[in-house]
Amino acid sequence: DAGVIQSPRHEVTEMGQEVTLRCKPISGHNSLFWYRQTMMRGLELLIYFNNNVPIDDSGMPEDRFSAKMPNASFSTLKIQPSEPRDSAVYFCASMVATNEKLFFGSGTQLSVL
Amino acid sequence: TQLLEQSPQFLSIQEGENLTVYCNSSSVFSSLQWYRQEPGEGPVLLVTVVTGGEVKKLKRLTFQFGDARKDSSLHITAAQPGDTGLYLCAGAQGPGNQFYFGTGTSLTVIP
Repeated sequence: DAGVIQSPRHEVTEMGQEVTLRCKPISGHNSLFWYRQTMMRGLELLIYFNNNVPIDDSGMPEDRFSAKMPNASFSTLKIQPSEPRDSAVYFCASMVATNEKLFFGSGTQLSVL
Repeated sequence: TQLLEQSPQFLSIQEGENLTVYCNSSSVFSSLQWYRQEPGEGPVLLVTVVTGGEVKKLKRLTFQFGDARKDSSLHITAAQPGDTGLYLCAGAQGPGNQFYFGTGTSLTVIP
């Protein structure tokens, strides 16, 4: 099993640019989560999908952030336009809903200059 | 708003010492998990506790869920350098039982 796959591992961009982060969950997992980790705020839940449907997006910071899950094997988190305060490590995690064991990807380190 | 507060935030101890990390909240959780995260990687699940008062052991690690399901502790006996990492608690809450993470405890075990 390849685990949760995120790309890119590192992203450096300039303020105002659009950033797209990608995630491939583990096959068979029907819940997917996007988290953001910073030193100041720790690991924050941004949005949660179940069976490709967004269930709770109350953690999305503002309208500049959007997430999609067009099918069971792919999700994106987009920031447009990006700002320096968006700099963080963004994690994707998946689980089988009834299992309650979260599997995390290795994260995307985003730096907005 | 941070639902879960962990203490201490940083901990540096000598190999062989014992330690306890705390995870506290004013909210009730349906279950609570502990994860360990190493630099450059995502958190990895160590244990899940579900019942108030539950105690689980994983080798030298002992996990306890508070009776009211609002808090938890992680005790490590005879710490080893391999235990070094960021320890995170996570509580399940909400319509989908989604997990909210604590502030984290960064542990360094010095050989």
